[in-house]
Amino acid sequence: GENVEQHPSTLSVQEGDSAVIKCTYSDSASNYFPWYKQELGKGPQLIIDIRSNVGEKKDQRIAVTLNKTAKHFSLHITETQPEDSAVYFCAASMRTGFQKLVFGTGTRLLVSP
Amino acid sequence: DSGVTQTPKHLITATGQRVTLRCSPRSGDLSVYWYQQSLDQGLQFLIQYYNGEERAKGNILERFSAQQFPDLHSELNLSSLELGDSALYFCASSVGRDRPTYEQYFGPGTRLTVT
Repeated sequence: GENVEQHPSTLSVQEGDSAVIKCTYSDSASNYFPWYKQELGKGPQLIIDIRSNVGEKKDQRIAVTLNKTAKHFSLHITETQPEDSAVYFCAASMRTGFQKLVFGTGTRLLVSP
Repeated sequence: DSGVTQTPKHLITATGQRVTLRCSPRSGDLSVYWYQQSLDQGLQFLIQYYNGEERAKGNILERFSAQQFPDLHSELNLSSLELGDSALYFCASSVGRDRPTYEQYFGPGTRLTVT
């Protein structure tokens, strides 16, 4: 089955810096890679996703890149703000609408003012 | 707000008891997923229903069961509870009736504490 590894487990940056979180997956059949942000006491919130036919996707300060050959994908947050502090999860699945998400172990991001 | 609702928000119960967690998917979504989040296991898929039918099973214990009703809400039943069942339980929904979306949107979760 699919296995997703995520690094780092914790990341501390200064406000305004960039943050990068990396994930690798094992199943070459996976073709859908979402990223979720989870704030304390809340459910995971979908912030961006990428399909395997796309190498990069941007949404304002957030971008995701995918390297299918190497089976890894990354989340990039630019101009970080204190409200970006949360736990971020990557996930992988086959994009059919009927497939479970396999999650990474999470990255706790702390943005200091 | 994702549009997915879960009740109750918190549950405290004793070992050996049975509880029911409820989930209402986003309006129009046909598929419901249940996930368990614990400190040592992370976010783990339990089970999925689509339009009332079970579609996939993950790491769900035999003591746990679920169903999806005609109005598309879902319930997760946990029985013979053990201390290790203490966790956050999330419901997610996807696949709208009129939109081919695959994104899963999560509810706020139910925190289960077994004492």
